[in-house]
Amino acid sequence: GESVGLHLPTLSVQEGDNSIINCAYSNSASDYFIWYKQESGKGPQFIIDIRSNMDKRQGQRVTVLLNKTVKHLSLQIAATQPGDSAVYFCAENKDSSYKLIFGSGTRLLVRP
Amino acid sequence: SAVISQKPSRDICQRGTSLTIQCQVDSQVTMMFWYRQQPGQSLTLIATANQGSEATYESGFVIDKFPISRPNLTFSTLTVSNMSPEDSSIYLCSSTAGWDSNYGYTFGSGTRLTVV
Repeated sequence: GESVGLHLPTLSVQEGDNSIINCAYSNSASDYFIWYKQESGKGPQFIIDIRSNMDKRQGQRVTVLLNKTVKHLSLQIAATQPGDSAVYFCAENKDSSYKLIFGSGTRLLVRP
Repeated sequence: SAVISQKPSRDICQRGTSLTIQCQVDSQVTMMFWYRQQPGQSLTLIATANQGSEATYESGFVIDKFPISRPNLTFSTLTVSNMSPEDSSIYLCSSTAGWDSNYGYTFGSGTRLTVV
């Protein structure tokens, strides 16, 4: 059975709707951020990244927004599909050591 | 991006024993890391695996409990020593050639450890 995401906050959306997943980060000096998707039994999968000198970055069906003033990161998924159901984590790089520190995560459920 | 082969994928171990997890990267990478993911939670960084020298551990993790090796740029092991049921978790390795490269950060598929 799935153990990833059981105790995480859950966002439930209708298939075809847009999803917005939010993340608050801790260190104002962090300069690089990544969103990951994790499916049951798998390692985190890269979705999109953004550096602190940007406010917005777009990929295929995904957009990441960075608000450095309030230390907030969001992931927008357009036209959410059943295959998007997973746990989503934001991660920040806090210093020049290349270490990634992960946020608490959100479980996305897509209703057919 | 780099591909990481991690093994074993899962194991059930007796308390008091040790398990060594291996990660092999298919290309040379700058950094390798080990994470723990407890059931239903996020990833917690255990340590940075340094090539040819002692790993750098995060607060709450110590070398005696989680010895790490990295003999070259593409291979690392994590040992979970003297295991107890509280060590039951998913353990993941990660690598990067630096975010200025095209490789980004890659993760292994994880080792699901159950201690009985």
